[in-house]
Amino acid sequence: DAKTTQPTSMDCAEGRAANLPCNHSTISGNEYVYWYRQIHSQGPQYIIHGLKNNETNEMASLIITEDRKSSTLILPHATLRDTAVYYCIVKEGGSEKLVFGKGTKLTVNP
Amino acid sequence: DAGVTQSPTHLIKTRGQQVTLRCSPKSGHDTVSWYQQALGQGPQFIFQYYEEEERQRGNFPDRFSGHQFPNYSSELNVNALLLGDSALYLCASSITPDSYEQYFGPGTRLTVT
Repeated sequence: DAKTTQPTSMDCAEGRAANLPCNHSTISGNEYVYWYRQIHSQGPQYIIHGLKNNETNEMASLIITEDRKSSTLILPHATLRDTAVYYCIVKEGGSEKLVFGKGTKLTVNP
Repeated sequence: DAGVTQSPTHLIKTRGQQVTLRCSPKSGHDTVSWYQQALGQGPQFIFQYYEEEERQRGNFPDRFSGHQFPNYSSELNVNALLLGDSALYLCASSITPDSYEQYFGPGTRLTVT
């Protein structure tokens, strides 16, 4: 079973920041937080991952709380192409499999 | 550089039949994982292949089996198909078995009637 809880759906205006929350209250010390997204009719796409520190790449930023029980994925300037299902995943370091929940359906509106 | 490719794109089978799905990993990747995604659900891990061996397996019955070839491509076989096997089957490749990033193909849509 997935170890994360996410809202079912969210809306965001084009050009604004999209902040997607994720709860992972049972996360253990060696587990990483991963974010993937799945655009309709495509396979999932890796976005970002982190352990303790906040992370940023060309796609997004990941903010992890100090107690590591929750995190937020930030898309700084959402576009219509960012409309997708976003999955927050907790994965043990060295483990091969990704355990997906149902994710958050993000709709970016013009 | 081609990404992960899967064939066929769509497939319709009858209950009780057998099916084989194929996957070619991204260039430079030697690890292949398979996932099943039912409608409205997140993908569920089936198994992973590395060095032509099954490394880890999810909660799927023995009707689901796989194979990896020396060129790192992989097949997923499902025997005695059930209606509940209707799903999108995704293949993902990675540089190493525990790589932080898995690259997914577009999937094969299997419909069992």
